[in-house]
Amino acid sequence: DQQVKQNSPSLSVQEGRISILNCDYTNSMFDYFLWYKKYPAEGPTFLISISSIKDKNEDGRFTVFLNKSAKHLSLHIVPSQPGDSAVYFCAAAYGGSQGNLIFGKGTKLSVKP
Amino acid sequence: GAGVSQTPSNKVTEKGKYVELRCDPISGHTALYWYRQSLGQGPEFLIYFQGTGAADDSGLPNDRFFAVRPEGSVSTLKIQRTERGDSAVYLCASSRGGGRDETQYFGPGTRLLVL
Repeated sequence: DQQVKQNSPSLSVQEGRISILNCDYTNSMFDYFLWYKKYPAEGPTFLISISSIKDKNEDGRFTVFLNKSAKHLSLHIVPSQPGDSAVYFCAAAYGGSQGNLIFGKGTKLSVKP
Repeated sequence: GAGVSQTPSNKVTEKGKYVELRCDPISGHTALYWYRQSLGQGPEFLIYFQGTGAADDSGLPNDRFFAVRPEGSVSTLKIQRTERGDSAVYLCASSRGGGRDETQYFGPGTRLLVL
């Protein structure tokens, strides 16, 4: 049973536009959420995170929004660039955990020039 | 090197054989994680080391899987009597001190194919 769900396997966006990647979770014990980006033949790279005490965290072109009541988070990339084309994984961790992350299946983002 | 390295990058073996996968974490990182990524899935946690000890091995699927980190640096994931279902990319990550808000840095993975 998937505790972290990314229901869109792929997303295609025009360069310069906003990319919105979505993630839902089922376990209310999760209190820390992360987004990782993965290029082919490379390991995942940390992008941005958010604690459950916040509802928004921003880092340059990347913003993560957390809606605890809906158990939903989203990653916004503005403006999207062709180099953003990659697989994006949403991940979650339990309060007090030692860092073992629970990942979604990923969403493949294609940014077209 | 500056990042996490994993060897071999690819491993092809026959069903029933034994394999060892190696991870070199970032120097000075005390926490080390192993994950497995099957086709079409996200990484799945296997085991976490803090220093030399396995602090959480709850993700290991069965007793054919074992991992060690004898000197608190390099780690080896060992799989006995491999099965076709073990085919996956095995990812290693390290972080400075462990805990969920310490960034985990991933290696490129070892792609294991069991024929």
